[in-house]
Amino acid sequence: GEDVEQSLFLSVREGDSSVINCTYTDSSSTYLYWYKQEPGAGLQLLTYIFSNMDMKQDQRLTVLLNKKDKHLSLRIADTQTGDSAIYFCAERGSGTDKLIFGTGTRLQVFP
Amino acid sequence: DAGVIQSPRHEVTEMGQEVTLRCKPISGHNSLFWYRQTMMRGLELLIYFNNNVPIDDSGMPEDRFSAKMPNASFSTLKIQPSEPRDSAVYFCASKRGGASDTEAFFGQGTRLTVV
Repeated sequence: GEDVEQSLFLSVREGDSSVINCTYTDSSSTYLYWYKQEPGAGLQLLTYIFSNMDMKQDQRLTVLLNKKDKHLSLRIADTQTGDSAIYFCAERGSGTDKLIFGTGTRLQVFP
Repeated sequence: DAGVIQSPRHEVTEMGQEVTLRCKPISGHNSLFWYRQTMMRGLELLIYFNNNVPIDDSGMPEDRFSAKMPNASFSTLKIQPSEPRDSAVYFCASKRGGASDTEAFFGQGTRLTVV
């Protein structure tokens, strides 16, 4: 079945770049997503990438997709304390609305 | 639109009791998802509906769990009887269907504690 994996924790200094990694198994994935969850809240979509792209940039966020290795990453430039949250990678297979999420990576930004 | 609305926000119940979680999706969205979030297992998809019909319930942990969507604006997730290991945050999400539509919108979640 489909599986999405992420490392559990990442700690960075304010102003540095953060890179959060994700691997997935479903070769039919059409869309891959990054969601952010702040404490006590639901998930909010940050950005997504279509599977025929290898990079997408949106302000401080850069998404890289290596479809051959089934590897997705999210780079946050100039990380701020407000970026501290849990970041979820998710994939959506072909012909379905079903979203499969990773375990989430808790990003801690320290001054 | 107010977004996806879940109720209650918090629920504390005793083991063995029935628990019903409620969700109102965003108007016009025809896909609805129930997820469970725990520290150990992350965010797990329990079931999803398309046009009020259950499409995939393979994530429902056992027969104690059931979900319904009687109409396009309401869904319930019921646990009967509840057990302490059901303690988690339960999220409902909705999206417009279709290949080109990308974003699922999440509710604030229901934090369930079974004692």
